[in-house]
Amino acid sequence: EVQLVESGGGLVKPGGSLRLSCAASGFTFSSYSMNWVRQAPGKGLEWVSSISSSSSYIYYADSVKGRFTISRDNAKNSLYLQMNSLRAEDTAVYYCARRSITMVRGVTQNWFDPWGQGTLVTVSS
Amino acid sequence: DIQLTQSPSFLSASVGDRVTITCRASQGISSYLAWYQQKPGKAPKLLIYAASTLQSGVPSRFSGSGSGTEFTLTISSLQPEDFATYYCQQLNSYPPNTFGGGTKVEIK
Repeated sequence: EVQLVESGGGLVKPGGSLRLSCAASGFTFSSYSMNWVRQAPGKGLEWVSSISSSSSYIYYADSVKGRFTISRDNAKNSLYLQMNSLRAEDTAVYYCARRSITMVRGVTQNWFDPWGQGTLVTVSS
Repeated sequence: DIQLTQSPSFLSASVGDRVTITCRASQGISSYLAWYQQKPGKAPKLLIYAASTLQSGVPSRFSGSGSGTEFTLTISSLQPEDFATYYCQQLNSYPPNTFGGGTKVEIK
């Protein structure tokens, strides 16, 4: 079964740091780009960061650039998000998601599937 | 950045109703659009990718259409388990892979 399991969330004070992990199983992790997506309480989905299969390409949302670092360890089938200088507005459930790619009607298409169950990060004094 | 505008943001419907949700992109994204369903306390679930391709295991009452800047998600006959929030996502270019603001479907 293809599965993603996040961990590492919790309560942290403003300015603090936290490291999220996402453990992958049931597929060849090293072949896929991976993503972090967050959802603030009662709000919509916000893409946070992406990393290519070999870590060659890394992207961040402007809202976290310079504060968050995405990384992966293909030997451990794991994805990480190091979050520094946390702010109240970073409070959210953080999901990891696999970027799946295939040809559809002659065009390379991609989408996010599966998603992990999410881990809650609360930034509060 | 490409912006996605979903409408309506909220809709009230009855079991058996036909429901249509619209997603408009601020610039053309060809068919690089996915739809997700999210229930309270759960992770999003992929319904449709490439604008109109149904994900394996998703009931056939769900369908997607559109290309360019205007897309629709249709539920042909709303079932009790379909009451949820629906999001579109553009995958034409990133960063960022933008999501729409969501459409909450509630029971009338």
